[in-house]
Amino acid sequence: GQNIDQPTEMTATEGAIVQINCTYQTSGFNGLFWYQQHAGEAPTFLSYNVLDGLEEKGRFSSFLSRSKGYSYLLLKELQMKDSASYLCAVKNTGGFKTIFGAGTRLFVKA
Amino acid sequence: GAVVSQHPSWVICKSGTSVKIECRSLDFQATTMFWYRQFPKQSLMLMATSNEGSKATYEQGVEKDKFLINHASLTLSTLTVTSAHPEDSSFYICSAREQGQGVQYFGAGTRLSVL
Repeated sequence: GQNIDQPTEMTATEGAIVQINCTYQTSGFNGLFWYQQHAGEAPTFLSYNVLDGLEEKGRFSSFLSRSKGYSYLLLKELQMKDSASYLCAVKNTGGFKTIFGAGTRLFVKA
Repeated sequence: GAVVSQHPSWVICKSGTSVKIECRSLDFQATTMFWYRQFPKQSLMLMATSNEGSKATYEQGVEKDKFLINHASLTLSTLTVTSAHPEDSSFYICSAREQGQGVQYFGAGTRLSVL
């Protein structure tokens, strides 16, 4: 079967660092995505990992290990506006689909 | 990044009427478009995948006669909710992907309320 697991909720403090983990089991692998979704809005693209390793983009970094079926999203210098759901998604091979995890709701407190 | 425009952003309709939602890729050609449905505090549920010029592929449990999808051009896909009922009230989101690219870009979503 195909499955993407990520924690349901996390809480962190403004200015801190938080790591959101994602593990996946899919029929083939053709890339992993992280999206941010604020309540009542559509998801916005954050990062795309195809090869193993760390991709850094400003305050956000994403890591991928294909052999372990594992990724994480690292958010540094947390701001209140980072309170949102973070969706991990995997594109499988052969088809057109991207499979989304249920999302991790991050609460940033002062 | 690429821009996907979705219209309308919010619609209220009477039970039994049909509602059409448009999704446009503004600065790229979207060979594949996706339609999702999302309930409060839940993740995206893929309803169907459409490729330009061909019939949409619906996910299991999604009624294709109720949710009509047309992807007539490389920049436009429409979702028509036919004979809407209150249980169809939800947040509908489209996304588009350019051929050969991995990233999907999302529209702003349409909040449908059926009275």
